[in-house]
Amino acid sequence: GIQVEQSPPDLILQEGANSTLRCNFSDSVNNLQWFHQNPWGQLINLFYIPSGTKQNGRLSATTVATERYSLLYISSSQTTDSGVYFCAAARWGAQKLVFGQGTRLTINP
Amino acid sequence: DTEVTQTPKHLVMGMTNKKSLKCEQHMGHRAMYWYKQKAKKPPELMFVYSYEKLSINESVPSRFSPECPNSSLLNLHLHALQPEDSALYLCASSQAAGVGYTFGSGTRLTVV
Repeated sequence: GIQVEQSPPDLILQEGANSTLRCNFSDSVNNLQWFHQNPWGQLINLFYIPSGTKQNGRLSATTVATERYSLLYISSSQTTDSGVYFCAAARWGAQKLVFGQGTRLTINP
Repeated sequence: DTEVTQTPKHLVMGMTNKKSLKCEQHMGHRAMYWYKQKAKKPPELMFVYSYEKLSINESVPSRFSPECPNSSLLNLHLHALQPEDSALYLCASSQAAGVGYTFGSGTRLTVV
């Protein structure tokens, strides 16, 4: 099955800093999503991005499908950005999303 | 309505109890999912329902029994659980091809 690896596992930054989170996947996928899990456990879907680039406010994501990686950029970090960021992928038609181990982001004031 | 609603938010149950977790969505999604998440781990898929039929069972023990009464509702019936089953149980829904994944806020289950 698909393997999904995320890096770094932990990231601690000061408020206002920028960050880049990486997701590598082992096989061709046509479903690639980024999620943010807040400290209360809520998983929020940030991007559905099997290829290309998308932006939503201070967050943007790029997936290079041919090279099997995706990047999540967070600019001007705020304390509310803290939590765990998961990348998840699936092949065409597959309903099972395979999650990476996550990147735990801590933004200090 | 762009939400997946899960009840209850917290549940404490004994090993001989029977309880049910409930999940509801009104986004017209035709796929619904149960995930289990242990602390500091990613969510693990348990079951997938597609068009109200069970399409994936990830070898989950029979003490967990899913049910999809209609296209908006998903239940997870619990019986004779073990303390190691304590976890955050997440429901999700999506369009049939896995697009538009939306998670509920979860039920934090403690088995005593």
